[in-house]
Formats: sequence, C-alpha cells, structure tokens
Amino acid sequence: EPEVTQTPSHQVTQMGQEVILRCVPISNHLYFYWYRQILGQKVEFLVSFYNNEISEKSEIFDDQFSVERPDGSNFTLKIRSTKLEDSAMYFCASSEDMGAGNTEAFFGQGTRLTVV
Amino acid sequence: QKEVEQDPGPLSVPEGAIVSLNCTYSNSAFQYFMWYRQYSRKGPELLMYTYSSGNKEDGRFTAQVDKSSKYISLFIRDSQPSDSATYLCAMSAGDYKLSFGAGTTVTVRA
Repeated sequence: EPEVTQTPSHQVTQMGQEVILRCVPISNHLYFYWYRQILGQKVEFLVSFYNNEISEKSEIFDDQFSVERPDGSNFTLKIRSTKLEDSAMYFCASSEDMGAGNTEAFFGQGTRLTVV
Repeated sequence: QKEVEQDPGPLSVPEGAIVSLNCTYSNSAFQYFMWYRQYSRKGPELLMYTYSSGNKEDGRFTAQVDKSSKYISLFIRDSQPSDSATYLCAMSAGDYKLSFGAGTTVTVRA
C-alpha cells in the first residue's frame, strides 16, 4: 500500500540552527501539506502546497519556515533559525486532486524535532 | 468558542463493547469530515471519510454527520484491544486545510 514517508524520524538540533525535514508523498498525489503536533496538543495545519507554490498557510508558518519540492518526489520543510517552541512532531501529508477541496489526506509517521 | 471540540476522554471500555466518539464544530462551512486513528508517537491514520451529512459504514466502524447540529460521531462495534489508540476528528471547508479536534484516548480492556 502506498504511503507517505518522512525522514529523519527524530532530529535534535540546537536553538538557532537550521533544519530541513524531508518527505516523500504518495506518488500520484498532487497536494502536499505540513502539520505539526506539540506534545499533548492538537494537530495544527502549517501549509499546503500545490503546483509548486504555497496554496495556503497558517499564522504559525512565518518567515522562519519555507517549503520546497526540489525534485519530482521530495517535499521539504525548512526552519531557518529554530526556537525552543518549534519542538514538536512534524507530519507531512498528501492528497489526490479530487476537486472541490476534497482533503482526504494521508499522513506520514512524522519527524520528532527536539530543539535544545 | 473553539472551531472543533472533541470529548477529551479518556475512555475505557471492555472488549466487545461499542465505543462512541463525537465532535462538535462551529464553522458551518465545513463539508468534509474525517476520523483518524493515532497510536502513540505515530502519524494519524485515516479511518473514515464522509462528505456532508449522513452515515457511512466500513466494517466495524460507522461515521455519522449531522450538519444541522454541527455534530459528528464515530462508532466502533465489537471493540478489540487493538482499537486502543487516540481518535482524532478532522474537518475541512474545502480549502485543503484540515482542522483537528484534540483527540479522545480510548483503551479497550481485554
């Protein structure tokens, strides 16, 4: 069964450092997303990406964050200068273009980011 | 008022019982409703997907949506210990962005 894969599973970084989280979405999917889940809190939307551009982003997704689809298979989230409060599970998701904003999204296993 | 509210639980039931989970929401623009299952420190796994109001059944799982009351439910029949997980409701207004509930942790006792 096709799945969304994320690497690494766990990343520890020092405050102020840049991190890149990587995702391989399901191959025939056209919409890509990043969500995050701070420990004990709900899953929160960060950004959606379609046709090589951001289609929507949340207030959380400020100038410290960027996304990129560097080739035909990978989708990355970069955090330029990490803060302690960026520590969370980051989930990549993807969905087919089913029209009318259909959001049957499939999630990866997540990258646990720890900022120290 | 929070956009999506979900009974926090935790919920503990004996094996074989029916598990009943629900969420309420405030945004009348939501049209797509999902239930995800999440095991500890893992990604959400899509269980059920429904569009607009009505019922949908898949094996032991039944999802119900009542848009007039802004209320959605998930029922798990003949619950098994392997159903022990956190269940998340999620919904979308058709803008490719999901809004999640906080999750209900369910334990099915053998």
